Amino acid sequence: RKEVEQDPGPFNVPEGATVAFNCTYSNSASQSFFWYRQDCRKEPKLLMSVYSSGNEDGRFTAQLNRASQYISLLIRDSKLSDSATYLCVVNPYNAGNMLTFGGGTRLMVKP
Amino acid sequence: EAGVAQSPRYKIIEKRQSVAFWCNPISGHATLYWYQQILGQGPKLLIQFQNNGVVDDSQLPKDRFSAERLKGVDSTLKIQPAKLEDSAVYLCASSPWTEETQYFGPGTRLLVL
Repeated sequence: RKEVEQDPGPFNVPEGATVAFNCTYSNSASQSFFWYRQDCRKEPKLLMSVYSSGNEDGRFTAQLNRASQYISLLIRDSKLSDSATYLCVVNPYNAGNMLTFGGGTRLMVKP
Repeated sequence: EAGVAQSPRYKIIEKRQSVAFWCNPISGHATLYWYQQILGQGPKLLIQFQNNGVVDDSQLPKDRFSAERLKGVDSTLKIQPAKLEDSAVYLCASSPWTEETQYFGPGTRLLVL
């Protein structure tokens, strides 16, 4: 079983749609969780951290379910510029900054 | 603030040849990482440095890959000899020791023929 699993997609949605991605992780002791965004042929960049209580940043909402070991990302009112690959990232250790990346979910927003 | 710098941006070599990549992290970042990203997959950590010491290299294929960060600043990753399956983007990232966010460089795209 992979440490971090994501549906690779692609998710093809029209502008203005709401889309949700899920991610599961295998290490129940994992402490920190993130979503990174990677544009085509570019480097990954931090989109947002994921907190136990859930958190929102504009059109983006991230949630964590520790009991089921999954993380979600919700994007409301999709824009063309949201087209990218979204990487679910987990820090499976209590100390240190070693991150484990999922394979990514590709989103394509169409006009 | 300058970002993570990497060179070269692209490299094409034949199998069994050697290749080296260079990374200069963000100034003041103690932690440096090298990742391998194969097309269609997420980045996979190869090695993590804390200053000039290795924190984790458990996924580094040590029979052919080596990395160093001699002065605790810039770093080189070498592949010797290269195999076809080494074709990938090699990403360097850095972070301050107290922060989990990693800042990535633009990567080096390697094609092994």
